[in-house]
Amino acid sequence: AQSVTQLDSQVPVFEEAPVELRCNYSSSVSVYLFWYVQYPNQGLQLLLKYLSGSTLVESINGFEAEFNKSQTSFHLRKPSVHISDTAEYFCAVIDFNAGGTSYGKLTFGQGTILTVHP
Amino acid sequence: DGGITQSPKYLFRKEGQNVTLSCEQNLNHDAMYWYRQDPGQGLRLIYYSQIVNDFQKGDIAEGYSVSREKKESFPLTVTSAQKNPTAFYLCASSARWGVNKYEQYFGPGTRLTVT
Repeated sequence: AQSVTQLDSQVPVFEEAPVELRCNYSSSVSVYLFWYVQYPNQGLQLLLKYLSGSTLVESINGFEAEFNKSQTSFHLRKPSVHISDTAEYFCAVIDFNAGGTSYGKLTFGQGTILTVHP
Repeated sequence: DGGITQSPKYLFRKEGQNVTLSCEQNLNHDAMYWYRQDPGQGLRLIYYSQIVNDFQKGDIAEGYSVSREKKESFPLTVTSAQKNPTAFYLCASSARWGVNKYEQYFGPGTRLTVT
């Protein structure tokens, strides 16, 4: 079964510093990849997604993620963070090789809490 | 505005009582999902439904039940058989066709506390 590992449970950074949130998944043959963001006591919002094409995908608020098939990774980066980026970030994968009822199912990582300090 | 609503935002129940969480969407999505979120564990799939009058168990369905009588609605019942029901519950929906068919849209969540 597909599994997703977010290597850091918490990442503290200072405002305007760069940040990388790491995500690795277990199956590399045929996957769609997503990053979601969750602000306290709210639902999840899609930040960016990789379905096909260019391996580097960007969001409207300056985040980017790169699909690396050989390393089965989809790390999220931002060159300069803002206080408002403080939130929990989830990496998620759809594995198209999983058969039966798992087809198209989203598997989530454990989440990384990003805290931006002034 | 199109979106997903979940009610109530906070819910308190005594142990041994069944409780139903509401989820409504006006996005015209065919597929709907229920997730449970616990600190440090990410989201785990409870049930999902690809079409009206059909639903499938997810990874942690024991102690939960659902119905899908209308396209817009996918209520979740947490029964007394659920051993540890206190959690944050998230409902989501997605289209079954088109370029965004694998993109799930989430509601604001319901925080259930059982004492």
